[in-house]
Amino acid sequence: DADVTQTPRNRITKTGKRIMLECSQTKGHDRMYWYRQDPGLGLRLIYYSFDVKDINKGEISDGYSVSRQAQAKFSLSLESAIPNQTALYFCATSDLLGAGGELFFGEGSRLTVL
Amino acid sequence: AQSVTQLDSQVPVFEEAPVELRCNYSSSVSVYLFWYVQYPNQGLQLLLKYLSGSTLVKGINGFEAEFNKSQTSFHLRKPSVHISDTAEYFCAVSDYGGSQGNLIFGKGTKLSVKP
Repeated sequence: DADVTQTPRNRITKTGKRIMLECSQTKGHDRMYWYRQDPGLGLRLIYYSFDVKDINKGEISDGYSVSRQAQAKFSLSLESAIPNQTALYFCATSDLLGAGGELFFGEGSRLTVL
Repeated sequence: AQSVTQLDSQVPVFEEAPVELRCNYSSSVSVYLFWYVQYPNQGLQLLLKYLSGSTLVKGINGFEAEFNKSQTSFHLRKPSVHISDTAEYFCAVSDYGGSQGNLIFGKGTKLSVKP
C-alpha cells in the first residue's frame, strides 16, 4: 500500500459544484501539504499544515479550503469549482522540511471542471 | 523570497548520451536544494538533495548535481541516460532553517530519451 494515498484519483465535475479531495498517510509525519500542478507552471503550494491545530495558506489558496482531521488526514475542498481549477493536485508529507527533510508525494488527483 | 529557474522546458537526448538539466536559484539566505523526478502518471520522488558539505551530490539512478554558490546554480547531470530516465525533473529550493522551510519548485524540465 502507498504511504500517501489520495482519493479520488480522477474526478470530473461541473462549474459551481463542491469538491473534496482527500489525503491520508501512514508515514507518521506531522507536516502535510497540498500542491497544484499545471503544465509548464510546476508545482504551486495551496495550503500546508504543521500539525492538527496548525493550518497555513500557501501561494495560491484563493478558492480552496482545507481540513486537518487527524495527524494522518488532510483534505482539500473547492467550495464552488471553476474551470481554471482544472489541474493535477498532489498531497505530500514531510517530517521536518526546515532541516532539509524530504517531501513524500501521493500519486495525484486529476480534477477536471467543466 | 526564493525563486527557481529551470532554463530548459524540454530536453531531448539519445539513449547513452550525457545530459545536463540546468537550474538556477535566487535567495537572500542560505538554502537547501533538491531535485525531484516525476515519472509518467506518478507523483514526485526525491532524486537528490544538497544540504551542506561537499558541493557534488550523488543521487539515485546514477544522477548527480553540483552546487555552485557563486553562480547560484544546481545543475543535474547523468553521464549516460537510459530510456527509463524519460520523466519530468523539478528543481526546488528551501530556505535554510526558516520557520516554514517550504519548498519552492521550478517549472520543470521534461527529459525525453530516444532510442
